Amino acid sequence: QQKVQQSPESLIVPEGGMASLNCTSSDRNVDYFWWYRQHSGKSPKMLMSIFSNGEKEEGRFTVHLNKASLHTSLHIRDSQPSDSALYLCAAWNYNQGKLIFGQGTKLSIKP
Amino acid sequence: GGIITQTPKFLIGQEGQKLTLKCQQNFNHDTMYWYRQDSGKGLRLIYYSITENDLQKGDLSEGYDASREKKSSFSLTVTSAQKNEMAVFLCASTNNNQAPLFGEGTRLSVL
Repeated sequence: QQKVQQSPESLIVPEGGMASLNCTSSDRNVDYFWWYRQHSGKSPKMLMSIFSNGEKEEGRFTVHLNKASLHTSLHIRDSQPSDSALYLCAAWNYNQGKLIFGQGTKLSIKP
Repeated sequence: GGIITQTPKFLIGQEGQKLTLKCQQNFNHDTMYWYRQDSGKGLRLIYYSITENDLQKGDLSEGYDASREKKSSFSLTVTSAQKNEMAVFLCASTNNNQAPLFGEGTRLSVL
């Protein structure tokens, strides 16, 4: 059974600080990782995607991927109260079309 | 612009009842997904379909049936609702390597 593990389960970061979230897949056939953000009562919205080894930056958000270890991380700098949300990591197997999510990291930004 | 529509938005059922949730997308996407989300938790894959009339089981398929009779629609049936069950069911769709897009969800409560 393919699993996606996220850590930590919850995280409190002061406003203006750096938040770091982790995600690892057990499926060696994963082709893409996506990070989604879900505000309370809303549906998930895609935040960042990565499929190549290395790093990708978009504004305050940076995502890393190590394909050998199937580990991805999301870093949010200069965190804002509006960043408070559930962050979901998703691993996609292209051949199967299967998309598996982790259990999420609940991020709270304290003013 | 495209949209994913889930109906109904709220569903209240009785224990043992068979309940059907519907999802329609006008993106012309090939792949569609059904997930269950318990409060504050991650998304668990119930069923997915990579094309019309295709069905693939996820890790949580027991207790559910699905149907993809048209490319644009994907329905999910709870075969026997469990007492006090409360969850949000999310539908998503995608093509190739695009990030899946989500509908707004169906909120289920079982009395």
